[in-house]
Amino acid sequence: DVKVTQSSRYLVKRTGEKVFLECVQDMDHENMFWYRQDPGLGLRLIYFSYDVKMKEKGDIPEGYSVSREKKERFSLILESASTNQTSMYLCASSFDFNQPQHFGDGTRLSIL
Amino acid sequence: ILNVEQSPQSLHVQEGDSTNFTCSFPSSNFYALHWYRWETAKSPEALFVMTLNGDEKKKGRISATLNTKEGYSYLYIKGSQPEDSATYLCACPGYGGSQGNLIFGKGTKLSVKP
Repeated sequence: DVKVTQSSRYLVKRTGEKVFLECVQDMDHENMFWYRQDPGLGLRLIYFSYDVKMKEKGDIPEGYSVSREKKERFSLILESASTNQTSMYLCASSFDFNQPQHFGDGTRLSIL
Repeated sequence: ILNVEQSPQSLHVQEGDSTNFTCSFPSSNFYALHWYRWETAKSPEALFVMTLNGDEKKKGRISATLNTKEGYSYLYIKGSQPEDSATYLCACPGYGGSQGNLIFGKGTKLSVKP
């Protein structure tokens, strides 16, 4: 069965910390995505990657970076966490635009 | 930037009611239309991916239609059950759709009362 695994369900960090959110998929998908979900704003794309070491900015990349050193792993990095980055973060993967995206369970991140 | 709109924002129905909601998207440069169901405390789950004008897809009591010429898709739920309570999201591939990134609507939150 398809599996996208995010490293943490809940995470609490302090302002200014460097935060790493990890995502692993076992489906050999080319595409991987990071979204954040905020009330009233829906799912917004932060970054996506269509191949190892390749990355593209989504709609809200400011304050974030990503890393994809291996096909199965896509990391989201908050370089210096701020309180406005408190949110639910979702990772997803897909084969292409004609195929559904498969989502992880999400990480609820709180920045204090 | 491609804009995907969903209506209504929320919907409250009684168990057994049939319901439908709408997803609107730009009809030009259409690649595909995705529907997802997102239950509280779970991850979004794909329902349908539709690519052809006039296409209809069905999964149990849920079905969807697609009109790419006028830029809309309808999702229907027949005989709603409390377990259908969820947020329903639609999405289209963004600019350069060959890479698979999706632009999501804000969703329709469905609540089904027993």
